[in-house]
Amino acid sequence: KAGVTQTPRYLIKTRGQQVTLSCSPISGHRSVSWYQQTPGQGLQFLFEYFSETQRNKGNFPGRFSGRQFSNSRSEMNVSTLELGDSALYLCASSRVAGEGETQYFGPGTRLLVL
Amino acid sequence: SQQGEEDPQALSIQEGENATMNCSYKTSINNLQWYRQNSGRGLVHLILIRSNEREKHSGRLRVTLDTSKKSSSLLITASRAADTASYFCATDLNTGGFKTIFGAGTRLFVKA
Repeated sequence: KAGVTQTPRYLIKTRGQQVTLSCSPISGHRSVSWYQQTPGQGLQFLFEYFSETQRNKGNFPGRFSGRQFSNSRSEMNVSTLELGDSALYLCASSRVAGEGETQYFGPGTRLLVL
Repeated sequence: SQQGEEDPQALSIQEGENATMNCSYKTSINNLQWYRQNSGRGLVHLILIRSNEREKHSGRLRVTLDTSKKSSSLLITASRAADTASYFCATDLNTGGFKTIFGAGTRLFVKA
């Protein structure tokens, strides 16, 4: 069974631009969560989608948005990029949305904002 | 602030030694999970322990949970160089949706 895939793996953008990251969950998984990882803030929860609905959101500004498609694939978008958005963005999928569900992580997209 | 906090932040040991990492959390939980991350890659799930369990084993891993102290520990026995990674505890916050909160992590370095 294929794992979680994320594209692109690496990305360089400049301040003010926008970026879209993609995540394909494990086949049959319906829940997708996104995380931002930085050396200073660690792993921070961005949002979680289940059956195309955003069920939970972390404390990030509105510049961060996401969506989930009917095939469970998910995208996240960051508009008006800032230097502080440079991070590793991780996507994780699980069978269903619920406590104790094991999350399977993708390799991440490393975003550098210049 | 994050739900889980790991201690120590970094740990360096010799191959064959045991490594113990601790995690403290703030609110009541139904379960706690441990994940491993190799150098800037995705996380890998190691083990889950439920709030009604006190100890759980998986291979060379032993996890304990003390809900009265809101703390958990991860013990890796007979460590190997391949165990070099960052280890995170994670708890779920039930806020009407699925929200996993990760601690800051412990960076483990196992010297061959």
